[in-house]
Order: sequence, then C-alpha cells, then structure tokens
Amino acid sequence: GAGVSQSPSNKVTEKGKDVELRCDPISGHTALYWYRQSLGQGLEFLIYFQGNSAPDKSGLPSDRFSAERTGGSVSTLTIQRTQQEDSAVYLCASSLGRDQPQHFGDGTRLSIL
Amino acid sequence: TQLLEQSPQFLSIQEGENLTVYCNSSSVFSSLQWYRQEPGEGPVLLVTVVTGGEVKKLKRLTFQFGDARKDSSLHITAAQPGDTGLYLCAGTSNTGKLIFGQGTTLQVKP
Repeated sequence: GAGVSQSPSNKVTEKGKDVELRCDPISGHTALYWYRQSLGQGLEFLIYFQGNSAPDKSGLPSDRFSAERTGGSVSTLTIQRTQQEDSAVYLCASSLGRDQPQHFGDGTRLSIL
Repeated sequence: TQLLEQSPQFLSIQEGENLTVYCNSSSVFSSLQWYRQEPGEGPVLLVTVVTGGEVKKLKRLTFQFGDARKDSSLHITAAQPGDTGLYLCAGTSNTGKLIFGQGTTLQVKP
C-alpha cells in the first residue's frame, strides 16, 4: 500500500505476556518513529530510527520496551511482561528524513487485561 | 524539556461559527505541524509552518506561526460538521521527534 501499515490493528492480551507490534513504513522513508497515545497523556514519543539505527530512544518508558528495525524498512516494537498501564494506541510514523513531514499509520490498539 | 500547551481542550459549536485553537510554548521550534485525527485512525498532516510570522491557508482553515516560533494558531471560518475531530499541534524538536500538544476535540453541530 501507499501508506504506513501497522499490525495488528487490535491486540488484547493478559498482564505479564509479551507483545510484538509491527510497522511497515512508506517505501523509501528512511526515518521511522514510534509514539504512544493514551487517554489523558496525549501523544508521546517513544523511539526514532534513522535507517536501522536508533539515535533517539529517550521516550521508551522502561526496559520492558524495545524496538528494532531491519533492512531499513520494517520495525517491531516489543513490550515484555505487559502491565495494565501499557494499554494505549501505539502509532508508527515515517518520513523521508529527520526534518521531513511525518506520515502516520492507523495504530495498534493494545489492551492489557 | 520542550512542552506545547494547546487550548481549548474541548470545543462544541454550531455550524457556521468561527473558532480558534491555540498552541503555546516557552521553547522555540524549528517547525510546527497541525494534524487532524479521526477515531480509529492515525493523525493526518494538515500543514507545516516553518518561518516566524508565516500564515498558511487551507480552504476555511488559517494557520499562523508566531514571530518567535514559539506559538501557533489554527482558525476555522464558518465551521462545518465535517470539521469535527481531534486537532493536534506538534513541534519538531532538534532531534526530529514530534512534541505534541494535548489536542483539541472539536464538535460542530448541524
């Protein structure tokens, strides 16, 4: 497709389980960002990739959160030992470069029971 | 820490009315974006402003970037029910990440 694709669109899991969220950026976009959107918190930055490296991971809330990007394309955000406070919509965005307009996917709605 | 204060958080108006949403910060941003988000979808970019004092128009929407590049406003003229949604301002930090305001939920009643 032409836009940023995220999967799954919805994920419900039990507290303590690990989850993986996937992002397929727009072809040719070298920059990739993960954000989290929760009620009362707005949109928060998590991590930024330029190519396969992550020069800014300052927004990851704890060491339970990690992300990787392979082949300068697909990225995976992993949350280990999920907690109820991890429930949120996780959004991925990509852009042609660091200071270029960011285009968002529709997000993964994560619910922790 | 760079922060963006967006106001108002909620706005409910009648069709045909005008409105203004404000986005303020004590920090300077290299650029500022306005997004609109519908339920169940990701934010969609409306405009990017880069130059202090810049004004951009998109049909009935007028966007302004403050002279000092610390604040911005979105003005909608003659609002329509189709304008209903969540409006987000976001400043670009020096690392390229976006710093978002809390958002303004706009409801336009017919």
